[in-house]
Amino acid sequence: DAKTTQPPSMDCAEGRAANLPCNHSTISGNEYVYWYRQIHSQGPQYIIHGLKNNETNEMASLIITEDRKSSTLILPHATLRDTAVYYCIVRVEGDNYGQNFVFGPGTRLSVLP
Amino acid sequence: DGGITQSPKYLFRKEGQNVTLSCEQNLNHDAMYWYRQDPGQGLRLIYYSQIVNDFQKGDIAEGYSVSREKKESFPLTVTSAQKNPTAFYLCASSTWNTEAFFGQGTRLTVV
Repeated sequence: DAKTTQPPSMDCAEGRAANLPCNHSTISGNEYVYWYRQIHSQGPQYIIHGLKNNETNEMASLIITEDRKSSTLILPHATLRDTAVYYCIVRVEGDNYGQNFVFGPGTRLSVLP
Repeated sequence: DGGITQSPKYLFRKEGQNVTLSCEQNLNHDAMYWYRQDPGQGLRLIYYSQIVNDFQKGDIAEGYSVSREKKESFPLTVTSAQKNPTAFYLCASSTWNTEAFFGQGTRLTVV
């Protein structure tokens, strides 16, 4: 079972920031938070990941709460092409591959003109 | 360019037939994965392989088989024992400290 919970859907106005929440209340100390998105009928695309510090790249920012039980993916200026299903995943990094990428149903983000 | 390639993009199968989906990567990744996705649903893990000549069942392995004879290749066979094989199939690869890279998927339809 997925170890994260996300709202099933969200809307965002084009040009505004999209803030996608994720709860991972049972996260372990060595588990990273990953975000992916999937545009219809394509393979998921990696966005960003982090352990406990906030992270930013050219696509998005990831804000992780101090207790690490939740996080928020921020798309600073959403465009119509950001309409997709967004998945939040927790995963251990290390020599042990035992934990895999477990996907839940995700959040369907609709960016509206 | 490095990447992960799935073929074919669309596949039609008659009931009772086995069919094999191809997945090849040139990223030098040790781990490879197969997922199934049904309409409006998330991805469910079928099989994964951490190293050549080794693979493990995921959550929904019944009716599927895999092999990992080469690091670059992880083909998935959908057997006649799979009761409802029509779905979108995704292959991915990773190392122990990288994100998973996904192929563009194969859409399998039973006719």
